[in-house]
Amino acid sequence: GQNIDQPTEMTATEGAIVQINCTYQTSGFNGLFWYQQHAGEAPTFLSYNVLDGLEEKGRFSSFLSRSKGYSYLLLKELQMKDSASYLCAVRDAFDYKLSFGAGTTVTVRA
Amino acid sequence: EAQVTQNPRYLITVTGKKLTVTCSQNMNHEYMSWYRQDPGLGLRQIYYSMNVEVTDKGDVPEGYKVSRKEKRNFPLILESPSPNQTSLYFCASRGAGSYNSPLHFGNGTRLTVT
Repeated sequence: GQNIDQPTEMTATEGAIVQINCTYQTSGFNGLFWYQQHAGEAPTFLSYNVLDGLEEKGRFSSFLSRSKGYSYLLLKELQMKDSASYLCAVRDAFDYKLSFGAGTTVTVRA
Repeated sequence: EAQVTQNPRYLITVTGKKLTVTCSQNMNHEYMSWYRQDPGLGLRQIYYSMNVEVTDKGDVPEGYKVSRKEKRNFPLILESPSPNQTSLYFCASRGAGSYNSPLHFGNGTRLTVT
């Protein structure tokens, strides 16, 4: 099974940078996903990491350290529309099941 | 447009009255899954299906049923809903060909059981 932890809430100012950490414990690891979810809407895919290191996609970057069971999502040049919940999800190596953390609500203030 | 379609978006019902939430995807995905989302608990998997006629329990299957008679449809059935099944439900799908393929989610069904 999976045990996934991420902070509940974070607040940042427009134009700033925010880093959302995710730690996990798993019996078998087969990739980590980050999703963005605006209030009342469906989660949408942001990034995927399976090897150690940094994946960059425009203003968003995601980092993975498998040995530490740790990932972070970095949001740069924050915009008001980035106010949302960010979900960390880990896939199991044996059944490919995706388990989600409770999500981190990011509030961007002007 | 590639999408996962759930219906209805909102549903209010009473305890014990059977209901079905439909889910359909037009991407020819093999894998489909149902999640419920509750405050502070995140998304929890109810049931999933690897392909037609193949379904398995997720983390919280009690009180739910599913079927997968066709590839595109994966309905969620609550035979006798109870108030603790009040939640936000999401259907999701992904292709089986690529190991890193992300889940595509429907727009959600907000269910209230009184």
